[in-house]
Amino acid sequence: ETGVTQTPRHLVMGMTNKKSLKCEQHLGHNAMYWYKQSAKKPLELMFVYSLEERVENNSVPSRFSPECPNSSHLFLHLHTLQPEDSALYLCASSRVAGEQYFGPGTRLTVL
Amino acid sequence: GENVEQHPSTLSVQEGDSAVIKCTYSDSASNYFPWYKQELGKRPQLIIDIRSNVGEKKDQRIAVTLNKTAKHFSLHITETQPEDSAVYFCAASTGSSNTGKLIFGQGTTLQVKP
Repeated sequence: ETGVTQTPRHLVMGMTNKKSLKCEQHLGHNAMYWYKQSAKKPLELMFVYSLEERVENNSVPSRFSPECPNSSHLFLHLHTLQPEDSALYLCASSRVAGEQYFGPGTRLTVL
Repeated sequence: GENVEQHPSTLSVQEGDSAVIKCTYSDSASNYFPWYKQELGKRPQLIIDIRSNVGEKKDQRIAVTLNKTAKHFSLHITETQPEDSAVYFCAASTGSSNTGKLIFGQGTTLQVKP
């Protein structure tokens, strides 16, 4: 399945590192989302971009910084993360208010 | 804001039996209710959804019912098979036409025993 892709699939980083997660969708959608999935917790919506504008920021700490340069690409820039930020980060895309298609996720471990 | 509660957190059934997962939501303005299935190590995938102008929707062995008055909706899987084993998430959307924001329930781990 290649509709929504994410890279890298796995990432291990120290608390002082800076890294970026990338998401790309090939479905012609115009909305993109970042979710955090931790063990024993529901999917947590982090950011929503619609028509390349950020329309939702769910009180996410500033150490997470999203970027949406165009309707096909979405990034999540990470810096000075904490061990509790270790989780699966899922990207999704949709037509505005339509069915959301998820990427495979990036498994992030912060040491 | 919207809050979605999902029960049970785990469910174990024998192959061939039915499984029911229930969700409640808090915001009466919610109008879209999808269900996602996430197999181990894989991405969530939409299996069925329902909008607030419909009370029930069925697709082969799966069905979803919606009670707007009580603000709850349920997923029904009949004739369960081992491949139905996965984590199931309900969600509700109160998004305006330009956000598509989904609030997810906590998930139900379904185990179908052969």
